[in-house]
Amino acid sequence: KQEVTQIPAALSVPEGENLVLNCSFTDSAIYNLQWFRQDPGKGLTSLLLIQSSQREQTSGRLNASLDKSSGRSTLYIAASQPGDSATYLCAVRPTDSWGKLQFGAGTQVVVTP
Amino acid sequence: ETGVTQSPTHLIKTRGQQVTLRCSSQSGHNTVSWYQQALGQGPQFIFQYYREEENGRGNFPPRFSGLQFPNYSSELNVNALELDDSALYLCASSLDRLEPQHFGDGTRLSIL
Repeated sequence: KQEVTQIPAALSVPEGENLVLNCSFTDSAIYNLQWFRQDPGKGLTSLLLIQSSQREQTSGRLNASLDKSSGRSTLYIAASQPGDSATYLCAVRPTDSWGKLQFGAGTQVVVTP
Repeated sequence: ETGVTQSPTHLIKTRGQQVTLRCSSQSGHNTVSWYQQALGQGPQFIFQYYREEENGRGNFPPRFSGLQFPNYSSELNVNALELDDSALYLCASSLDRLEPQHFGDGTRLSIL
């Protein structure tokens, strides 16, 4: 059974520091892995999607890596800003369940000015 | 291009009641998925509909049911509400079953 874990559950950093968020999964049989951002009481905004054949994806200050064999992904956010404060969730798409995204519980990030 | 819209935004019900939540998919999307997100947790997959047929279901009892209409809008129905059903319910639409899912802002359901 696939399990997705995100550590730490919460993180507080001063503005300007780089953020490193971790995601691990137990079953490497995935189509892709996706990182989302969730603001309080809101839906999910997709940040980056990495296909299973890819090693990383980049968008602006965001970079996500994927090591499928070890079941790990890392999201890097460079030069954090107070506007980056949110909960970050990772999700995998298992190959044995077309429709399903399986999520971790998220990392709550606070960037202090 | 309009995004995914959900209604209502908030809802309060009592135990034993029934509720219907609605989702309007993004234009051109034929697939809709529903998720339940309890406070402090990640979303849990309820089910997915593709071209009006159920295309996969998570570990939720039969009192959670859904419909997808010809215009690809969707409903989530929950019967015999329980306290544990209190959560944020998220709808996501996609161009096809394996395409990236685009999420709405959710319906916050509170059970008293």
